[in-house]
Formats: sequence, C-alpha cells, structure tokens
Amino acid sequence: DVKVTQSSRYLVKRTGEKVFLECVQDMDHENMFWYRQDPGLGLRLIYFSYDVKMKEKGDIPEGYSVSREKKERFSLILESASTNQTSMYLCASSLSAGGGETQYFGPGTRLLVL
Amino acid sequence: KQEVTQIPAALSVPEGENLVLNCSFTDSAIYNLQWFRQDPGKGLTSLLLIQSSQREQTSGRLNASLDKSSGRSTLYIAASQPGDSATYLCALNTGTASKLTFGTGTRLQVTL
Repeated sequence: DVKVTQSSRYLVKRTGEKVFLECVQDMDHENMFWYRQDPGLGLRLIYFSYDVKMKEKGDIPEGYSVSREKKERFSLILESASTNQTSMYLCASSLSAGGGETQYFGPGTRLLVL
Repeated sequence: KQEVTQIPAALSVPEGENLVLNCSFTDSAIYNLQWFRQDPGKGLTSLLLIQSSQREQTSGRLNASLDKSSGRSTLYIAASQPGDSATYLCALNTGTASKLTFGTGTRLQVTL
C-alpha cells in the first residue's frame, strides 16, 4: 500500500512566522503535490514537483515556496505566515509524469495562523 | 480554463437506497477522471479512475461513468450504507504533469 505521511495533523502559528510542512511518500513516486482546501473553494494546487529539485507553480503559489531535495520528501514553506493562509493542507503523490496515474493523498495538516 | 461542478452540494438518503452523484466539466480534452472520497478532517481516498478512452469503471458497489462529449461523469452507489457517508469529489486530469482540477464535492449522508 502506498503511504503518504504529513509531519503534523494540527499546527498553530503566529503571523509572520516561517512555517514548514513536510510530506513523505514511501513508494518511489516521481510526482508530488501540495494542495490547500478551503470551504466553498475546494482543493487548489499550490505547487507540484515531477522530480528531485524540480518544481512548478500551481494555481495559487503566492506566499508559498517548496523544496524537494530527496525523491521521497516534498516540503511546503510559508515564508511569512499570514491569517489568510489558515487552511487544510494536503500533500499527494503519483507514480510517474505520464498523466494517467492515481494520486495518493496524505491525511492533511490543519494550519491555523493567528 | 477547466471548470468542474458537482451537484448537489449535499445529499441525504436512507440506508439501502441506490444513488447517483454528478460531476460536470467544461473542457472535454481530459486525460482521465478520478472520484475520491473524503471523510471529515481526513485526506482523500481514491475510489475509481476512468481513462479518457473508457466509458466506465466498477469497484464493488461503485460504478463510475464518463461521457466526454457531454462533459459529464456520474458515480453510482448501490445499496447505500451509513459507512458511505462522506464527501465525494471528482477530479479531472488534463494531462499536464498529472495536475488535477477538483470539483467542490457532494456531501453524502446515509441515514439508518
């Protein structure tokens, strides 16, 4: 079974703090994704990566950056957290860049920025 | 830009009923379509994936269909159970590096 884990289930941070969200997958998947989920807006793609050290912006990259130093790990960074970044953050991975593969999701991190 | 709509936003049915969830999309140039389930406060679980060349996929009591020409997909759940209560999301892959565009979901409650 594919397993995608996220470092925290719940996180409370203050405005202006630098925040790191970590995601690890154990199935040697090439693609990894970061989404945020908000009521009424659904899931929106922040960033994705199709290989180590490769990254591409999704639909809402502003205020975020990412890091993929190892194939199994994809980090989302909030350089200076703001209250409008309070959200549920979901990480996902898929096998290859071919486009036909299922995405597997982690359990999510619920972030509250005060 | 691809837009994905799921109607209704919420649905309540008695146990044992068969039901259909709908997903419509504006751009038929898709690579595949996935249906996911999300339990409250949890991540997403993939239920079914339909490639663009396929018309339907089945898994147990679930059957998903795809009609690209009309921009529609349906998820049929047979003999619903309280354990089916969750939010169901459809997502379209347009083939660009496996990026998915999600609908906002249908929240299903199956009552005893």
